[in-house]
Amino acid sequence: EIVLTQSPATLSLSPGARATLSCRASQSVSSRLAWYQQKPGQVPSLLIYEASNRATGIPDRFRGSGSGTDFTLTITSLEPEDSAIYYCQHRASWPITFGQGTRLEIK
Amino acid sequence: EVHLVDSGGGLVQPGGSLRLSCAASGFTFSTYEMTWVRQAPGKGLEWVAYIDSGATTIKYADSVQGRFTISRDNAKNSLFLQMNSLRADDTAVYYCARDHIAPGLYFDYWGQGTLVTVSA
Repeated sequence: EIVLTQSPATLSLSPGARATLSCRASQSVSSRLAWYQQKPGQVPSLLIYEASNRATGIPDRFRGSGSGTDFTLTITSLEPEDSAIYYCQHRASWPITFGQGTRLEIK
Repeated sequence: EVHLVDSGGGLVQPGGSLRLSCAASGFTFSTYEMTWVRQAPGKGLEWVAYIDSGATTIKYADSVQGRFTISRDNAKNSLFLQMNSLRADDTAVYYCARDHIAPGLYFDYWGQGTLVTVSA
């Protein structure tokens, strides 16, 4: 099983700042990685797939990068509504797994 | 508009059974792979089971293998999860999710979730 480790656990930033979220895989997943956003009380929503492709309707403030074992989700010009938990997920092999999440707080 | 409606959750005793349903609309259900994902209270996301469009390829997480069965009825645009021998650690909100097409195994639409509570 591929383990995805996200860091930091919590990130607290101000509006307008840039957030950098990390996801590290225990073995290579090539580019087979996605990022999801889950706002409080809501279902997860797909942000990025195949490491760097934005899902439909996702603004270009959200950027995914990386390959192999190290991946980054960068969110620029932070807005209060970006407050959420962000999860990475791989599809490189069975079982599919998710990271434990990074909580992003915008204050 | 794509719509997924999860139902069938509830309170069940340890060792009991429950059948979850997911009603799909707004897309050609029979052409999409589907997945169940769960989230224990206050915890992260856990992939549970996958079924391809023709129900020929099915995969399960080790934690549910042998106890849960995923199935679908393409004529009724419905996805199911039969859960047997339920344990306390199966307590979670269960989401059905549509797999993104090309590439698949990413989840672009999610149901609202249905809560399963396993407790005596």
